[in-house]
Amino acid sequence: QLQLQQSGPGLVKPSETLSLTCTVSGASTSPQYWGWIRQPPGAGLEWIGSIFHTGGTVYYNPSLKSRVTLSVDTSKSQFSLRLSSVTATDTAVYYCARHGVSGYFLLPPDFWGQGILVTVSS
Amino acid sequence: DIQMTQSPSSLSASVGDRVTITCRASQDIGNRLAWFQQKSGKAPKSLISAASSLRSGVPSRFSGSGSGTDFTLTISSLQPEDFATYYCQQYSDHQWTFGQGTKVEVK
Repeated sequence: QLQLQQSGPGLVKPSETLSLTCTVSGASTSPQYWGWIRQPPGAGLEWIGSIFHTGGTVYYNPSLKSRVTLSVDTSKSQFSLRLSSVTATDTAVYYCARHGVSGYFLLPPDFWGQGILVTVSS
Repeated sequence: DIQMTQSPSSLSASVGDRVTITCRASQDIGNRLAWFQQKSGKAPKSLISAASSLRSGVPSRFSGSGSGTDFTLTISSLQPEDFATYYCQQYSDHQWTFGQGTKVEVK
């Protein structure tokens, strides 16, 4: 059974870089993507981006693209999110997720990490 | 990007009620629509993909319909564990977007 375990700091200072990691266990070797989605307190869901499970192909939300870097470390079964120059508006619960792919289409997420609340504050 | 609009933003219902939530896309997305359920403090749970395909393990009281721009999630007989917030999500392009959510509350 696939499990996604998230880790990273819960507090980041303004203008610094938010870094989160998701450790994967029980994953298949089938083509799939690892994604990141966030949810500000009391608000809805916002997709951040997705990366192919072996690295390489990456898709970003255009509104965040200039500040986001996604990466995969297959040797550690981990994938990571870095979000630079954070402000208070980046305060949110950040989720990692798995989603499949079917031809051109990135399928919706079917497994989610537990989520981490990251607060941006000095 | 494709905008997703859900209605209503919240509703009050009783156990046993039939509940319908709608989701409208700003352009044709075919059947590339998913529905999620989220309970307070938890990660979203996938209910439906491809507009009407129920995920494994999801009770049959949940159903989805629609294509193009208009979609519906129906709960045929609301159960106590169904009080939650529901989100639609389009995956028609490589820029996923979600609806703003519909909170189903106890009447």
